Amino acid sequence: EPEVTQTPSHQVTQMGQEVILRCVPISNHLYFYWYRQILGQKVEFLVSFYNNEISEKSEIFDDQFSVERPDGSNFTLKIRSTKLEDSAMYFCASRPLAAEKLFFGSGTQLSVL
Amino acid sequence: TQLLEQSPQFLSIQEGENLTVYCNSSSVFSSLQWYRQEPGEGPVLLVTVVTGGEVKKLKRLTFQFGDARKDSSLHITAAQPGDTGLYLCAGTNDMRFGAGTRLTVKP
Repeated sequence: EPEVTQTPSHQVTQMGQEVILRCVPISNHLYFYWYRQILGQKVEFLVSFYNNEISEKSEIFDDQFSVERPDGSNFTLKIRSTKLEDSAMYFCASRPLAAEKLFFGSGTQLSVL
Repeated sequence: TQLLEQSPQFLSIQEGENLTVYCNSSSVFSSLQWYRQEPGEGPVLLVTVVTGGEVKKLKRLTFQFGDARKDSSLHITAAQPGDTGLYLCAGTNDMRFGAGTRLTVKP
């Protein structure tokens, strides 16, 4: 079965550094999402992306965050200057146009030291 | 943003017991989804409920959508250790999740 692929699985960075989290959504999907989950807490919506632009973003998704679909397959989340509180599991998800089922990747565990 | 409240937050039961968890909102949803998340993994869709009053069954899991399409429940019959996980509901209006119910089924 097709799956959403996220890399890396773990990322350790120093506070203030930039990180790029990568996702390869399922090939025929058109909607893309980033969520984050701080350890033991809820799955928080960050941003949704459709037709090469952000369709919705949450209050968490401030100017430090950006998303990009640089080619036909990758979908990236960039955090410009990481903070300690950015430490979390970041999930990418995608879905096709005609269905609302989200397919999630296995996540990237980001640790900011 | 349409807020979803899930209860209970935590639930620990013995194998074989029945349980019900709830997802409530003051907003109306075109449809609601239930996902299960296991440690270290992304959520996996269990079901989508669309019609007010709808009941869907998935083996020992029974999902119900409220008549007013503002709430939903998940009932598990004869719970098994394999049912352990975080159960999340999400509104398809904005694909945001409730905080979840963390279920532990002890053998």
